[in-house]
Amino acid sequence: EAQVTQNPRYLITVTGKKLTVTCSQNMNHEYMSWYRQDPGLGLRQIYYSMNVEVTDKGDVPEGYKVSRKEKRNFPLILESPSPNQTSLYFCASSLSAIYEQYFGPGTRLTVT
Amino acid sequence: QKEVEQNSGPLSVPEGAIASLNCTYSDRVSQSFFWYRQYSGKSPELIMSIYSNGDKEDGRFTAQLNKASQYVSLLIRDSQPSDSATYLCAGEAGGTSYGKLTFGQGTILTVHP
Repeated sequence: EAQVTQNPRYLITVTGKKLTVTCSQNMNHEYMSWYRQDPGLGLRQIYYSMNVEVTDKGDVPEGYKVSRKEKRNFPLILESPSPNQTSLYFCASSLSAIYEQYFGPGTRLTVT
Repeated sequence: QKEVEQNSGPLSVPEGAIASLNCTYSDRVSQSFFWYRQYSGKSPELIMSIYSNGDKEDGRFTAQLNKASQYVSLLIRDSQPSDSATYLCAGEAGGTSYGKLTFGQGTILTVHP
C-alpha cells in the first residue's frame, strides 16, 4: 500500500529535550515536506526537499532541522524544543512540488 | 499582504446548493495552485490542482484561476453533507523558490441537510 508514515503519532516532552519525528514514504517520491498546523493559521511549511541531500527552508524553519540522506526518509529534528513548538505536524511527499502531495497521518507534539 | 489568503469562514450552505470558496495570493506565489480538503482529525487530501488561467472541472468541483486578479476559487455544486470539511488553498512559488508551498488558513464548510 502506497503511504507516508510518521512516528511517533503522539509525543509529550519537556523543554530542551532533543527529539526526532521520522517520516518515510514508499512511493519513490522525490519531493518531501514538513508542515505544522495550528488553529487559525492553516498549514505552514517548515522545510522541504527536492531530492536526496537537497533541502530548503519553508516559511517557519526556526528551531527545526531536517536531513535527506535517503530518498524514502525525511526526519524532522527539534534539537531544543520549546512550548511554542507544540503543534500538529504533517509530513508529505509527491513526485514533485507541482503534483499532488500525499500526507502522513500527523504527529501531535506537546512541549511542556 | 499574506502570500495566500482565504475568504473568511465558516461557510454554511444547504444540501444541494453551490458552495463558493475563494483564495487570493501575492506576487510571491504565482505558479501552481491546489485545493485540499481536510476532514476533522484527518490529513489533507487533494481535490484539484490548477496551473493555467480559466476553469478546470472534475465532477461536482470546479476550480477557477485568474492570474491577472490573483485569485483562485473552488465551486462545489450540489453540495452534500459529506462535503463538510476544512478546505485549504495552496500555492507553489516557482522560480528560484520552486518547491516552496504556502497554504491559506483554511475555510470551514458545513453543508446542512
